[in-house]
Amino acid sequence: QSVLTQPPSASGTPGQRVTISCSGSSSNIGSNYVYWYQQLPGTAPKLLIYRNNQRPSGVPDRFSGSKSGTSASLAISGLRSEDEADYYCAAWDDSLSGPVVFGGGTKLTVL
Amino acid sequence: EVQLVESGGGLIQPGGSLRLSCAASGFTVSSNYMSWVRQAPGKGLEWVSVIYSGGSTYYADSVKGRFTISRDNSKNTLYLQMNSLRAEDTAVYYCASTGVYSSSSLFDYWGQGTLVTVSS
Repeated sequence: QSVLTQPPSASGTPGQRVTISCSGSSSNIGSNYVYWYQQLPGTAPKLLIYRNNQRPSGVPDRFSGSKSGTSASLAISGLRSEDEADYYCAAWDDSLSGPVVFGGGTKLTVL
Repeated sequence: EVQLVESGGGLIQPGGSLRLSCAASGFTVSSNYMSWVRQAPGKGLEWVSVIYSGGSTYYADSVKGRFTISRDNSKNTLYLQMNSLRAEDTAVYYCASTGVYSSSSLFDYWGQGTLVTVSS
């Protein structure tokens, strides 16, 4: 199983706000930045959030990230049908797990 | 414009070898961390290997001793030499850059992926 823990699924209706959690430990989220990726069906992942809460240019401000202790969250407000995708969190890790660890991914369904 | 283009995937028998390539443009491979990340069919993302700008390399336990990451600075290209392939190595392999968009942006650009299928 993955070092970072995410719920396998989440859902919401258009316009709603949804959050996806990512739980880790002191060696990864607790001491390093958290990153979020969006993977639309059949495509490569795309960086969505970096450095816990920063959005690359072109990412809508409907997407926001936060971190507290050893957990992080991705929030999507004003949910749209095109947000239906898989979302992954990742972080550097200072332990023997490897330099980088991922969450197992969350499948977001827009109802 | 930053672009990463992988190649080299295909069908290979168990125990065989394959070399993946990732040609980069729009930035310098040797000045940034470069990684390989894989995704087995229907599964999540798994970090495989990284090469730091200084040349240090690291591997996931699942591939240590079998895979080798390297780069050719003159070609601005990243490689992954995969030996002793197993069925569980079947996946789409992505190359990804770190530190190109921002100094602290992990996996900021990704290639389109190349499929490796290990089967007899």
